[in-house]
Amino acid sequence: EVQLVESGGGLVKPGGSLRLSCAASGFTFSSYSMNWVRQAPGMGLEWVSSISGGSVHIYYADSVKGRFTISRDNAENSLYLQMNSLRAEDTAVYYCARLYCTGGSCDQGRAFDIWGQGTMVTVSS
Amino acid sequence: EIVLTQSPGTLSLSPGERATLSCRASQSVSSIYLAWYQQKPGQAPRLLIYGASSRATGIPDRFSGSGSGTDFTLTISRLEPEDFAVYYCQQYGSSPRYTFGQGTKLEI
Repeated sequence: EVQLVESGGGLVKPGGSLRLSCAASGFTFSSYSMNWVRQAPGMGLEWVSSISGGSVHIYYADSVKGRFTISRDNAENSLYLQMNSLRAEDTAVYYCARLYCTGGSCDQGRAFDIWGQGTMVTVSS
Repeated sequence: EIVLTQSPGTLSLSPGERATLSCRASQSVSSIYLAWYQQKPGQAPRLLIYGASSRATGIPDRFSGSGSGTDFTLTISRLEPEDFAVYYCQQYGSSPRYTFGQGTKLEI
């Protein structure tokens, strides 16, 4: 079964750090770009960061650039998000999501086809 | 930055009725990069439609997507009780890489 399972969320004070993990199973993890998407309480979805299969291409939303670092360990089938200098506005459920590319080519279409169940991050004093 | 605006914010319908959800982009979007997701309370989003009109694996054929340029539509032909949820459109662009609409809540 194709599955993504996040962990590492919790309560942290403003200015603190947290590292999220996403364990992948049921597919060839290294062949897929992966993403982090967050959802603040009662709000919509916000893309946070992306990383290609070989970690060559990495992108961040402006809201987290310079504070968050995405990484992956293909040998461990795991995706990570290191979050530093956390702010109250970072409070959200964080989802990892697999990037699906149409026909095997991201130039022909893309969408997030597999999502984890999410892990809650609360930034509060 | 391309902004996606979904309408209506809330749509109140009954089972068996037809639902039409709109997603309008602030500038032209390549249809191959337009997707729709369904999210139920307490659950992760689920991919419904990619490439504006292709159904994802396991998605019933009562869900259909259409549109091009700046106007895209998700249609649910005959609502089932399990279809009441929040729906998001998403596009892929240059910066930020991916943006979502604010969502349409489909309620009974």
